[in-house]
Amino acid sequence: QAQLQESGPGVVKPSQTLSLTCNVSGGSLNSENYYWSWIRQPPGKGLEWIGHIYYSGSTYYNPSLKSRIIISLDMSKSQFSLKVHSVTVADTAVYFCARDSGYDQKGGMDVWGQGTPVTVSS
Amino acid sequence: SYELTQPPSVSVSPGQTATITCSGDILDYKYVCWYQQRAGQSPVLVIYEDDKRPSGIPERFSGSNSGKSATLIISGTQPVDEADYYCQVWHASARVFGTGTKVSVL
Repeated sequence: QAQLQESGPGVVKPSQTLSLTCNVSGGSLNSENYYWSWIRQPPGKGLEWIGHIYYSGSTYYNPSLKSRIIISLDMSKSQFSLKVHSVTVADTAVYFCARDSGYDQKGGMDVWGQGTPVTVSS
Repeated sequence: SYELTQPPSVSVSPGQTATITCSGDILDYKYVCWYQQRAGQSPVLVIYEDDKRPSGIPERFSGSNSGKSATLIISGTQPVDEADYYCQVWHASARVFGTGTKVSVL
């Protein structure tokens, strides 16, 4: 069974770039059956889908964040990553990575990481 | 942007049925997923493709989708079912989450 684990800095200063990595074990990123996704949850609020990447490298982003984010894939390290540029306090959240079985828009996000908290503060 | 609306909270007695709704335009043309998120934990997929349960999810969880509303039903609710629940669909190649419903088992 695949397992996902996020890693990141914990604290980022306003206007800087947030970089997070999701390590995938027990499964392969090189599968046409899955998207690899990022989701975030501000303190006390609901879930917000950030975007995902397919094994081919194709990406899809939340329109509200599209101008500031990049998701990339490193097959050799079995990792995928998220960069959020020009962060503000509104980007403070717990960030989750997940495996998304919805390549046919039917399945769901069936494997999640434990989440990593990120605080934007000077 | 596409929006999915859920009631903020639902209260249910142990052993009773909890019903959580999710409303959105042309929802019946989309497949709905439901996630459970217990306090301090990561979300767990409990329903996909409107009414299918992933392996390991108890039979007391069921889903349906008709008209402009999708529904998650928890039959014989147990204290461990106390959690936030989120519906989710695809819209224009992007995932959209509902506003979330807190289920309290009192």
